[in-house]
Amino acid sequence: GNSVTQMEGPVTLSEEAFLTINCTYTATGYPSLFWYVQYPGEGLQLLLKATKADDKGSNKGFEATYRKETTSFHLEKGSVQVSDSAVYFCALSGVTGGGNKLTFGTGTQLKVEL
Amino acid sequence: DSGVTQTPKHLITATGQRVTLRCSPRSGDLSVYWYQQSLDQGLQFLIQYYNGEERAKGNILERFSAQQFPDLHSELNLSSLELGDSALYFCASSDRLAHIDTQYFGPGTRLTVL
Repeated sequence: GNSVTQMEGPVTLSEEAFLTINCTYTATGYPSLFWYVQYPGEGLQLLLKATKADDKGSNKGFEATYRKETTSFHLEKGSVQVSDSAVYFCALSGVTGGGNKLTFGTGTQLKVEL
Repeated sequence: DSGVTQTPKHLITATGQRVTLRCSPRSGDLSVYWYQQSLDQGLQFLIQYYNGEERAKGNILERFSAQQFPDLHSELNLSSLELGDSALYFCASSDRLAHIDTQYFGPGTRLTVL
């Protein structure tokens, strides 16, 4: 079945540091890939997505490129802010039965300090 | 605000009881998904409905059931509750059935079983 392996946290960075959160996946077919962010006490918000190989998703300074050859979708940001502190989830969407579902990684907690 | 609403926000109940969680999808969305988030299992897909019909099923216990009504809102029924059912339950919606579509998440219902 489909699976997502995500970098263990927590990750602690200083403001303006470079961020990378690694994500690799195993899937059959041609999944779509997503990064969601969860702030404390809130639901999941879509951060970015990519639906085919070599697509780059980007939003709010975050980027991730769908790499089929390495089955990866690493999240990057050039300069993090304190407000980026949250839990980040990598997910893939694939067909299952007559529908579809998201398969999530375990989440990576990011803490950004001044 | 994703446009997906869930009620109630919090539920505290006792073992053996039955509860109903409610979800209203974004306007126009036909697909509704239910996910469970717990510390030990992470984010797990439970079930998907599309325009009133069940389309995909995940690791949903037999004690749990769901339905989607003609107005497209959905309910998740949890019965014979056990301590291990304590978790955050998310509803998500998307406009179609395609796996490339973004799923938009509600704020969740936090269930505590005592």
